[in-house]
Amino acid sequence: AQSVTQLDSQVPVFEEAPVELRCNYSSSVSVYLFWYVQYPNQGLQLLLKYLSGSTLVKGINGFEAEFNKSQTSFHLRKPSVHISDTAEYFCAVRPGAGSYQLTFGKGTKLSVIP
Amino acid sequence: GAGVSQSPSNKVTEKGKDVELRCDPISGHTALYWYRQRLGQGLEFLIYFQGNSAPDKSGLPSDRFSAERTGESVSTLTIQRTQQEDSAVYLCASSPGRSLGEAFFGQGTRLTVV
Repeated sequence: AQSVTQLDSQVPVFEEAPVELRCNYSSSVSVYLFWYVQYPNQGLQLLLKYLSGSTLVKGINGFEAEFNKSQTSFHLRKPSVHISDTAEYFCAVRPGAGSYQLTFGKGTKLSVIP
Repeated sequence: GAGVSQSPSNKVTEKGKDVELRCDPISGHTALYWYRQRLGQGLEFLIYFQGNSAPDKSGLPSDRFSAERTGESVSTLTIQRTQQEDSAVYLCASSPGRSLGEAFFGQGTRLTVV
């Protein structure tokens, strides 16, 4: 079985400040990792993904995440946030082989304060 | 089509009635997922289909919930004898071959049981 933990349910941050949204996962097999973003009243869209290779992955809108296998983490970062980044962010994990089960964390609501 | 399409976008039903929700995945996508998102909550896995394999139904909350998919095409999620706690947004996603892993989401169906 696999699981995803997003410890912070809400993160307020001032505009132009850096932000880190934490994600830890649990799995007995190798994994694919994803961050999705859900803007208010919209569907989910992919922000970035880790499948293999470089542990630092870059996504859209200036976000990046680093896969740390020893700490089973995939934290999302942005050096300077904008008002438009206000949204809910979901971390997800999928086995790298076999099952297609895609498991999501409970989400982190990022609020950017002007 | 260009993306995952779900219908209806909104559904209001009376308690005790049956409802059917439809999902048209992206053409050629072998995996299809259903999730439930209650107001202010994360994504709750319901079921997923992978090609012609037996679906993973481990997330269905009760026997009132069922889903079907014919081959790699349309899927329907059926909720029988709806209850107020079934009120939520039901999200469908599809995913291409194993190497890519990314799931693409539809806009969801907002179900309200009155």
